[in-house]
Amino acid sequence: GESVGLHLPTLSVQEGDNSIINCAYSNSASDYFIWYKQESGKGPQFIIDIRSNMDKRQGQRVTVLLNKTVKHLSLQIAATQPGDSAVYFCAEKLTQGAQKLVFGQGTRLTINP
Amino acid sequence: GAGVSQSPSNKVTEKGKDVELRCDPISGHTALYWYRQSLGQGLEFLIYFQGNSAPDKSGLPSDRFSAERTGGSVSTLTIQRTQQEDSAVYLCASSLAVTAKQFFGPGTRLTVL
Repeated sequence: GESVGLHLPTLSVQEGDNSIINCAYSNSASDYFIWYKQESGKGPQFIIDIRSNMDKRQGQRVTVLLNKTVKHLSLQIAATQPGDSAVYFCAEKLTQGAQKLVFGQGTRLTINP
Repeated sequence: GAGVSQSPSNKVTEKGKDVELRCDPISGHTALYWYRQSLGQGLEFLIYFQGNSAPDKSGLPSDRFSAERTGGSVSTLTIQRTQQEDSAVYLCASSLAVTAKQFFGPGTRLTVL
Protein backbone atom coordinates (compact mmCIF):
# COMPACT_ATOMS: atom_id res chain seq x y z
CA GLY A 1 0.00 0.00 0.00
CA GLU A 2 0.95 3.63 -0.08
CA SER A 3 3.28 4.68 2.64
CA VAL A 4 5.57 7.38 3.88
CA GLY A 5 8.79 6.26 5.48
CA LEU A 6 11.95 7.62 6.95
CA HIS A 7 15.49 6.54 6.16
CA LEU A 8 16.94 7.05 9.65
CA PRO A 9 15.12 6.30 12.86
CA THR A 10 17.65 8.21 15.02
CA LEU A 11 19.97 11.12 14.39
CA SER A 12 22.45 12.76 16.73
CA VAL A 13 24.12 16.07 15.94
CA GLN A 14 26.26 18.53 17.83
CA GLU A 15 24.68 21.73 19.00
CA GLY A 16 25.22 24.41 16.41
CA ASP A 17 25.58 21.98 13.53
CA ASN A 18 23.05 21.60 10.76
CA SER A 19 20.84 18.52 10.61
CA ILE A 20 19.02 16.86 7.74
CA ILE A 21 16.10 14.51 8.23
CA ASN A 22 14.98 12.50 5.23
CA CYS A 23 11.68 11.03 4.20
CA ALA A 24 10.61 8.88 1.26
CA TYR A 25 7.09 8.73 -0.02
CA SER A 26 5.56 6.31 -2.46
CA ASN A 27 2.42 8.04 -3.70
CA SER A 28 3.24 10.16 -6.72
CA ALA A 29 -0.25 11.67 -6.55
CA SER A 30 0.39 13.32 -3.17
CA ASP A 31 0.22 17.08 -3.49
CA TYR A 32 0.95 18.38 -0.02
CA PHE A 33 3.60 17.53 2.54
CA ILE A 34 4.14 18.58 6.12
CA TRP A 35 6.84 18.24 8.72
CA TYR A 36 5.83 17.99 12.35
CA LYS A 37 7.92 18.08 15.50
CA GLN A 38 6.82 16.10 18.53
CA GLU A 39 8.37 16.61 21.93
CA SER A 40 7.93 14.06 24.66
CA GLY A 41 4.42 14.05 26.08
CA LYS A 42 3.11 16.59 23.60
CA GLY A 43 1.13 16.53 20.41
CA PRO A 44 2.83 17.10 17.05
CA GLN A 45 3.67 20.70 16.29
CA PHE A 46 3.58 22.05 12.76
CA ILE A 47 7.00 23.09 11.45
CA ILE A 48 6.73 23.71 7.74
CA ASP A 49 4.78 22.54 4.73
CA ILE A 50 5.27 22.43 1.00
CA ARG A 51 3.02 21.85 -1.98
CA SER A 52 3.95 19.64 -4.87
CA ASN A 53 4.35 22.59 -7.24
CA MET A 54 7.36 23.74 -5.23
CA ASP A 55 10.85 22.28 -4.76
CA LYS A 56 11.98 24.26 -1.75
CA ARG A 57 10.50 26.29 1.02
CA GLN A 58 12.27 28.10 3.82
CA GLY A 59 11.18 29.04 7.29
CA GLN A 60 13.01 30.23 10.33
CA ARG A 61 16.10 27.99 10.56
CA VAL A 62 14.26 25.26 8.66
CA THR A 63 14.13 24.38 4.99
CA VAL A 64 12.07 21.71 3.32
CA LEU A 65 13.19 20.25 0.02
CA LEU A 66 10.95 18.21 -2.24
CA ASN A 67 12.31 16.02 -5.00
CA LYS A 68 9.35 14.64 -6.89
CA THR A 69 11.52 12.71 -9.30
CA VAL A 70 12.72 10.35 -6.58
CA LYS A 71 9.80 10.98 -4.22
CA HIS A 72 11.99 12.33 -1.48
CA LEU A 73 11.37 14.96 1.16
CA SER A 74 13.92 16.41 3.54
CA LEU A 75 13.93 18.78 6.48
CA GLN A 76 17.03 20.82 7.11
CA ILE A 77 17.50 22.48 10.48
CA ALA A 78 20.24 25.08 10.66
CA ALA A 79 22.32 25.83 13.74
CA THR A 80 20.60 23.21 15.87
CA GLN A 81 19.71 24.04 19.45
CA PRO A 82 18.93 21.79 22.43
CA GLY A 83 15.27 22.64 21.96
CA ASP A 84 15.34 20.98 18.57
CA SER A 85 15.62 17.57 20.22
CA ALA A 86 12.38 15.78 19.38
CA VAL A 87 10.83 13.26 17.04
CA TYR A 88 10.20 14.60 13.57
CA PHE A 89 7.45 13.23 11.35
CA CYS A 90 6.84 13.82 7.70
CA ALA A 91 3.33 13.45 6.39
CA GLU A 92 1.73 13.49 2.98
CA LYS A 93 -1.77 14.29 1.90
CA LEU A 94 -3.12 12.16 -0.89
CA THR A 95 -5.01 13.92 -3.63
CA GLN A 96 -7.27 10.93 -4.10
CA GLY A 97 -9.48 9.25 -1.59
CA ALA A 98 -9.69 10.49 1.94
CA GLN A 99 -8.23 13.89 2.64
CA LYS A 100 -6.18 12.68 5.55
CA LEU A 101 -2.50 12.90 6.35
CA VAL A 102 -0.38 9.75 6.11
CA PHE A 103 2.47 9.89 8.60
CA GLY A 104 5.87 8.27 8.54
CA GLN A 105 7.32 6.46 11.54
CA GLY A 106 9.35 9.42 12.74
CA THR A 107 13.03 10.24 13.31
CA ARG A 108 14.36 11.00 16.76
CA LEU A 109 16.75 13.93 16.64
CA THR A 110 19.11 14.36 19.58
CA ILE A 111 21.20 17.49 19.96
CA ASN A 112 24.41 16.91 21.85
CA PRO A 113 25.86 19.83 23.85
CA GLY B 1 -8.17 28.62 24.51
CA ALA B 2 -6.07 29.20 21.48
CA GLY B 3 -5.27 25.59 20.71
CA VAL B 4 -6.86 22.17 20.48
CA SER B 5 -7.63 20.75 23.89
CA GLN B 6 -8.24 17.15 24.87
CA SER B 7 -9.50 15.51 28.01
CA PRO B 8 -8.63 13.62 30.01
CA SER B 9 -4.88 13.85 29.61
CA ASN B 10 -4.51 10.36 31.05
CA LYS B 11 -6.99 7.53 31.37
CA VAL B 12 -6.42 4.18 33.00
CA THR B 13 -9.16 1.63 32.61
CA GLU B 14 -9.76 -2.04 33.00
CA LYS B 15 -10.13 -4.40 30.09
CA GLY B 16 -13.74 -4.60 28.97
CA LYS B 17 -14.73 -1.13 30.14
CA ASP B 18 -15.94 1.63 27.84
CA VAL B 19 -14.07 4.94 27.60
CA GLU B 20 -14.86 8.35 26.16
CA LEU B 21 -12.21 10.77 25.00
CA ARG B 22 -13.03 14.39 24.32
CA CYS B 23 -11.62 16.89 21.85
CA ASP B 24 -12.27 20.62 21.69
CA PRO B 25 -11.01 21.92 18.35
CA ILE B 26 -9.84 25.43 17.61
CA SER B 27 -12.86 27.71 17.24
CA GLY B 28 -13.92 28.04 13.63
CA HIS B 29 -12.06 24.98 12.40
CA THR B 30 -14.39 22.94 10.24
CA ALA B 31 -12.30 19.79 9.98
CA LEU B 32 -11.51 17.52 12.94
CA TYR B 33 -9.33 14.42 12.96
CA TRP B 34 -8.60 11.60 15.37
CA TYR B 35 -5.31 9.69 15.31
CA ARG B 36 -3.82 6.95 17.43
CA GLN B 37 -0.16 6.76 18.32
CA SER B 38 1.28 3.63 19.85
CA LEU B 39 4.51 3.82 21.82
CA GLY B 40 7.40 4.80 19.58
CA GLN B 41 5.24 4.71 16.49
CA GLY B 42 3.84 7.13 13.98
CA LEU B 43 0.31 8.38 13.84
CA GLU B 44 -2.47 6.11 12.66
CA PHE B 45 -5.48 7.84 11.16
CA LEU B 46 -8.81 6.88 12.72
CA ILE B 47 -11.58 9.21 11.56
CA TYR B 48 -12.21 12.73 10.35
CA PHE B 49 -15.14 15.10 10.24
CA GLN B 50 -15.59 17.92 7.75
CA GLY B 51 -18.44 20.31 8.31
CA ASN B 52 -21.80 18.62 7.89
CA SER B 53 -20.49 15.91 5.58
CA ALA B 54 -20.57 12.27 6.55
CA PRO B 55 -17.41 11.43 8.51
CA ASP B 56 -14.63 9.36 6.99
CA LYS B 57 -14.46 6.33 9.29
CA SER B 58 -12.07 4.35 7.15
CA GLY B 59 -9.34 4.25 9.81
CA LEU B 60 -11.38 2.90 12.69
CA PRO B 61 -9.80 -0.47 13.60
CA SER B 62 -12.99 -2.19 14.73
CA ASP B 63 -16.66 -1.60 15.44
CA ARG B 64 -15.75 -1.03 19.09
CA PHE B 65 -14.53 2.40 18.02
CA SER B 66 -16.93 5.23 17.24
CA ALA B 67 -16.84 9.01 17.23
CA GLU B 68 -19.29 11.85 17.18
CA ARG B 69 -18.99 15.52 16.57
CA THR B 70 -21.78 17.59 18.03
CA GLY B 71 -22.73 20.96 16.63
CA GLY B 72 -19.70 20.99 14.39
CA SER B 73 -17.41 21.59 17.35
CA VAL B 74 -16.63 19.19 20.20
CA SER B 75 -15.92 15.58 19.32
CA THR B 76 -16.02 12.44 21.43
CA LEU B 77 -14.17 9.25 20.59
CA THR B 78 -15.70 6.21 22.28
CA ILE B 79 -14.03 2.86 22.67
CA GLN B 80 -16.29 0.07 23.86
CA ARG B 81 -15.12 -3.08 25.62
CA THR B 82 -11.54 -1.87 25.70
CA GLN B 83 -8.71 -4.28 25.02
CA GLN B 84 -5.06 -4.05 26.04
CA GLU B 85 -4.05 -3.38 22.45
CA ASP B 86 -6.12 -0.19 22.59
CA SER B 87 -3.49 1.31 24.89
CA ALA B 88 -2.00 4.28 23.06
CA VAL B 89 -2.04 8.05 22.88
CA TYR B 90 -5.12 9.33 21.10
CA LEU B 91 -4.52 12.61 19.31
CA CYS B 92 -7.05 15.04 17.97
CA ALA B 93 -6.33 17.67 15.33
CA SER B 94 -8.35 20.37 13.64
CA SER B 95 -7.91 22.54 10.58
CA LEU B 96 -9.66 25.46 8.96
CA ALA B 97 -10.45 23.35 5.93
CA VAL B 98 -9.86 19.78 5.04
CA THR B 99 -6.92 20.73 2.88
CA ALA B 100 -5.19 23.00 5.40
CA LYS B 101 -2.52 22.16 7.90
CA GLN B 102 -3.68 20.41 11.01
CA PHE B 103 -3.15 21.62 14.55
CA PHE B 104 -2.84 18.92 17.17
CA GLY B 105 -3.95 18.70 20.76
CA PRO B 106 -1.75 17.26 23.53
CA GLY B 107 -3.38 13.86 23.33
CA THR B 108 -5.00 11.47 25.78
CA ARG B 109 -2.84 8.63 27.02
CA LEU B 110 -5.06 5.55 27.39
CA THR B 111 -3.84 2.59 29.37
CA VAL B 112 -5.94 -0.57 29.43
CA LEU B 113 -5.00 -2.94 32.24
